[in-house]
Amino acid sequence: EVQLLESGGGLVQPGGSLRLSCAASGFTFSDYVMNWVRQAPGKGLEWVSSISGSGGGIFYADSVRGRFTISRDNSKNTLYLQVNSLRADDAALYYCAKARSSTRLLGDGFDPWGQGTLVTVSS
Amino acid sequence: EIVMTQSPATLSVSPGERATLSCRASQSISSNLAWYQQKPGQAPRLLIYGASTRATGIPARFSGSGSGTEFTLTISSLQSEDFAVYYCQQCDNWPQTFGQGTKVEI
Repeated sequence: EVQLLESGGGLVQPGGSLRLSCAASGFTFSDYVMNWVRQAPGKGLEWVSSISGSGGGIFYADSVRGRFTISRDNSKNTLYLQVNSLRADDAALYYCAKARSSTRLLGDGFDPWGQGTLVTVSS
Repeated sequence: EIVMTQSPATLSVSPGERATLSCRASQSISSNLAWYQQKPGQAPRLLIYGASTRATGIPARFSGSGSGTEFTLTISSLQSEDFAVYYCQQCDNWPQTFGQGTKVEI
């Protein structure tokens, strides 16, 4: 069974930093694009970032480029998101999600999703 | 950036009725569209990918159609567990973008 378990969220002051992690199991981690998607309280879904299986392909939403860094450690089956210079509008539940298919960088959606880790930004 | 627009924002239906949800892309995305269901307090669940292929374990009452810029998710006979928010996502180009969601309520 595929499992994704996020951690690392918490309360941080504006301008602060966090490192989010997503521990994966139940599949060959290095074969799949991995993704971060966030959801502000009571709002819709926003794609944040994606990384290819090898780590050589990295993509960011404009809203986070230059502040967030996605990475992965295939030896530890773990995905990361370093979030810096946090702003109030970064407050959200951050989901880790696996690409549905191993054969495409784009195109097949995300399946499954973890349960998320909550980032709260407040002074 | 490709903008995804879902309609209606809220759909009020009764159990057993048919529900039709729409999603429009601001430019052609071929068939690179996914649909998700999200229930309160839960992570999204993939329902449909490639615009019309049901994901593993998804009941046959869920169907997707469309290509280019116009897409539809149909729930043929609503069950109580289907009341949720539904999102479409374009998977054709970076950045991948989601629609704002359609809430299906009683």
